Formats: sequence, C-alpha cells, structure tokens
Amino acid sequence: DARVTQTPRHKVTEMGQEVTMRCQPILGHNTVFWYRQTMMQGLELLAYFRNRAPLDDSGMPKDRFSAEMPDATLATLKIQPSEPRDSAVYFCASGLVRPAENIQYFGAGTRLSVL
Amino acid sequence: AQKITQTQPGMFVQEKEAVTLDCTYDTSDPSYGLFWYKQPSSGEMIFLIYQGSYDQQNATEGRYSLNFQKARKSANLVISASQLGDSAMYFCAMKKYTGNQFYFGTGTSLTVIP
Repeated sequence: DARVTQTPRHKVTEMGQEVTMRCQPILGHNTVFWYRQTMMQGLELLAYFRNRAPLDDSGMPKDRFSAEMPDATLATLKIQPSEPRDSAVYFCASGLVRPAENIQYFGAGTRLSVL
Repeated sequence: AQKITQTQPGMFVQEKEAVTLDCTYDTSDPSYGLFWYKQPSSGEMIFLIYQGSYDQQNATEGRYSLNFQKARKSANLVISASQLGDSAMYFCAMKKYTGNQFYFGTGTSLTVIP
C-alpha cells in the first residue's frame, strides 16, 4: 500500500526553535509539494519540487523557511526560527508529472504548535 | 482571484441517501483537471476522484461520481448511499495541465446523520 509518509505527526516547540519536518514521497513519484493548512487561510502551497529540483517556492517565507530534497526518497521543510504564527498542519504530497491527471497523494500531515 | 468556489460550508445528509457537494471553477485555459479530496477528522487528505477537461464521460469511483458540466464550469461531487464514515471535509481542486499550482476550494463539511 504505497503512501506518503510524514514525520513527525505532531510537534510542539517553543518560539525561536528550529523545526524540521520530513516527507517520504511514494516510490517512483517525481513531484513533491509542501502545503500549510490553517483555518483562516485554508491550504496554501509553500513549495514544489520536480525531479528533486525546486521549481516554485514563492509561497514560502524565505527568511525563515527552507525546503530541500537531498534525495528522491526524502523531502524536508525547515523553519528557523519558528514563530507562533507558524502553528498549522503541514502537508506533503507527491505525484507524477503527466500531461493530464496530475493526481497528488497527501501524507497524514505534521501538526505543528509553536508556543 | 478565487479559482475554486465551494458555496456550501456545511451539509447534512441522512444515512443511505445521496448528497451533492457543489464546486465551481474559474479558468480560461482549455486544459485542466478537477479533483476531489476528503479530509476526515483524523486530518489526512484522501484523493477521491479525478476528471479531465477533455474527458467525455463523468468520472465515477465506487459511490463517488463527478457531475462535470463544462459549460457551467461546475464539477459537483455526488456521493451515493451515504455512510457514517463519509462525514468529513471535502475539498474541490483544479490544476491546469500547464503550471504547477493546484487551486483548492475552502471545503464543505459533510455530516451524515444516522
């Protein structure tokens, strides 16, 4: 049963601390997306990778957020330093680039609380 | 500009009845895909169904079907024979064939009543 795996599922941290979220995309998928979900803003795209290369990170606050794919099986999203307004659920999704049908499969999310 | 509109913040349906969740979209691009996702209270986002803009027939996946009306730019999700486990948030999304961005609606909360 192929699925996107995200760790940790929950994270509570104090303001100013570094937070690292990890994502293992579905084997064979060549696109990875990071989203943030809040009640106020809904789902926001933070970053998008294709074949491990970052193609779009315009939705990400550059001063504190960074996203990388060190290899095809791991994507990371880091926040340094974290702030209370970063509290949200962070989703990773993976898929295949096709002319059509670019279905994204989501992980279970990381629920981040910054105190 | 809002690309995806879900006008029903909350819906109720009796168990075993059918329910339609509305979704309208806005694009001038002729090539796009439409998606529905389910988010239960546990939080994960579950892919349900896909419809391509060039598909001649409405997509179906088990109890889910997508009522695609291209001229009206609507892509309503129909759930037949509702079950208690269908209670969740449902998100409509669109992606153009070109570009990276998925556009998500604000979601509809569905509650199935026993």
